Amino acid sequence: DARVTQTPRHKVTEMGQEVTMRCQPILGHNTVFWYRQTMMQGLELLAYFRNRAPLDDSGMPKDRFSAEMPDATLATLKIQPSEPRDSAVYFCASGLVVNQPQHFGDGTRLSIL
Amino acid sequence: AQKITQTQPGMFVQEKEAVTLDCTYDTSDPSYGLFWYKQPSSGEMIFLIYQGSYDQQNATEGRYSLNFQKARKSANLVISASQLGDSAMYFCAMREGGTYKYIFGTGTRLKVLA
Repeated sequence: DARVTQTPRHKVTEMGQEVTMRCQPILGHNTVFWYRQTMMQGLELLAYFRNRAPLDDSGMPKDRFSAEMPDATLATLKIQPSEPRDSAVYFCASGLVVNQPQHFGDGTRLSIL
Repeated sequence: AQKITQTQPGMFVQEKEAVTLDCTYDTSDPSYGLFWYKQPSSGEMIFLIYQGSYDQQNATEGRYSLNFQKARKSANLVISASQLGDSAMYFCAMREGGTYKYIFGTGTRLKVLA
């Protein structure tokens, strides 16, 4: 089965460091989403792209977060500088059309010390 | 206003019995989609079932069915013949109109008892 691939699966780093999370969407999917999951806030949409163009990043803290899609097979989410409150599981998902489900990667579990 | 509500934080069910997980939604858009996802303790998000607002029939996928009551704005997930492997967190999500954005509920943690 085709899968969304996220790397790394786990990341532990110190406050102030740059963090880069990567996502390879399912081949042929043209819509890519970044979510953050925490106990307090649940699942929040940070940003999403369609055909590599950012459509909505209103859920993302602009001062330290950035999301890009350098090509159709790679999406990145960067945090610089990282803070302890950024500790969460970050999911990437991809999809094709609105009436089909988004398919999620296994997530990156991020801990900022 | 919360658009997706899952009122059951936790549920227990005996193995082999059926269980219903509640989900209510709020939208004024006549076109929308409703999704259920399962998140086991390992953390991945697994798509289970989809219902479109214009679909005439309730969606079914194996042991999963969606009890869609449009007038009541509810989209409850029914799991028949529960198995131990069904123990997980279950999320209801809604997509409004032509947007690709999902709004997720807070989830229901299901525990299947042997």
